[in-house]
Amino acid sequence: TQLLEQSPQFLSIQEGENLTVYCNSSSVFSSLQWYRQEPGEGPVLLVTVVTGGEVKKLKRLTFQFGDARKDSSLHITAAQPGDTGLYLCAGAGSARQLTFGSGTQLTVLP
Amino acid sequence: GAVVSQHPSWVICKSGTSVKIECRSLDFQATTMFWYRQFPKQSLMLMATSNEGSKATYEQGVEKDKFLINHASLTLSTLTVTSAHPEDSSFYICSASRTAYEQYFGPGTRLTVT
Repeated sequence: TQLLEQSPQFLSIQEGENLTVYCNSSSVFSSLQWYRQEPGEGPVLLVTVVTGGEVKKLKRLTFQFGDARKDSSLHITAAQPGDTGLYLCAGAGSARQLTFGSGTQLTVLP
Repeated sequence: GAVVSQHPSWVICKSGTSVKIECRSLDFQATTMFWYRQFPKQSLMLMATSNEGSKATYEQGVEKDKFLINHASLTLSTLTVTSAHPEDSSFYICSASRTAYEQYFGPGTRLTVT
């Protein structure tokens, strides 16, 4: 069974601060996705990383896939209240199934 | 592109009745769809994988006779919760796979069983 450990589980910061969320596993994934989910809604895909060592940037968000494709990180620069939400990493394995991390609930205070 | 819809967005039903939830990929064909369950402030738990034209594959611990899944076309999968009980109350989310890597999620259905 592939498991993804996500940390931290909860994060409350002030507007303008930087933060990093980590997603770790002992298993290798063919790709890894990051999603953001708001209450009462489905997750929205932010990015997919496929190649070991890959770095992708989406405005103030930077995503990195580990060289061994077992871990990933999400870094947010100058967080804003609009960044508040549940961030989920998910690793793609066989049969197109995703293994989800436990999630990081981010709250950015104005 | 890659829009997935779910209907209804919320439903309240009485204990013992059945409820059907629809999941549609609006602008792409999805040979594979997935059904998840999510409890408050928790991550998504995969219930089953639905492949068009074949039987769904259920995860361990998920009762296939209680959660009936039908994937009759490349754009529609349905989840029927049969003989619902209060413990079935949850947020049910479907997703559709467009590529081997990515899944696109519906907005979810909030089920409350009274």
